[in-house]
Amino acid sequence: DTGVSQNPRHKITKRGQNVTFRCDPISEHNRLYWYRQTLGQGPEFLTYFQNEAQLEKSRLLSDRFSAERPKGSFSTLEIQRTEQGDSAMYLCASSLGGGSTYEQYFGPGTRLTVT
Amino acid sequence: DAKTTQPTSMDCAEGRAANLPCNHSTISGNEYVYWYRQIHSQGPQYIIHGLKNNETNEMASLIITEDRKSSTLILPHATLRDTAVYYCIVRAQRGIGANSKLTFGKGITLSVRP
Repeated sequence: DTGVSQNPRHKITKRGQNVTFRCDPISEHNRLYWYRQTLGQGPEFLTYFQNEAQLEKSRLLSDRFSAERPKGSFSTLEIQRTEQGDSAMYLCASSLGGGSTYEQYFGPGTRLTVT
Repeated sequence: DAKTTQPTSMDCAEGRAANLPCNHSTISGNEYVYWYRQIHSQGPQYIIHGLKNNETNEMASLIITEDRKSSTLILPHATLRDTAVYYCIVRAQRGIGANSKLTFGKGITLSVRP
């Protein structure tokens, strides 16, 4: 069990640039979630996938954000035209099933700093 | 999902039991109580969950009051590595209000002192 992995672990970018993060879930987990966490706050839900289908998006996910999970395995989260307010930890989680019986396993996160 | 209320912080001595309280007075009948923790610079980690019966696993015990309006997470022998932010989350498992996402609050910061 290699756990959920995320790359890169840290990203520093200038305002206005585009960034893309990758999440590799635990194999055979069909649910994949993205959360965002700012300093001193708990993680906030952004979106989730069941296999390749994106089933829910938070209103936090503005038009500049897009997430994909093309083959139902890894997922990418892209932020276009980054703003300083996008600076946060972006967390990915996966679970075996859709019901809440299945706990979510989190990756280590990608820390984004927008200068 | 119902909201939860936790103290901001607490501490305990290494080797002693850490009892972390959580209030969830608006919890519904189909909502479970979940606990996650987040050690500094890591992703959250699942600890335990329960509906109305007390639960125990290798990490912790979960005590839920009979009216289900509050619960306590117990770490029986806290170690320095248990220093973390602990999140109490209420979540519907199935039926009306069932939700896959986790709604985190600010959690309680537990500091275990030597």
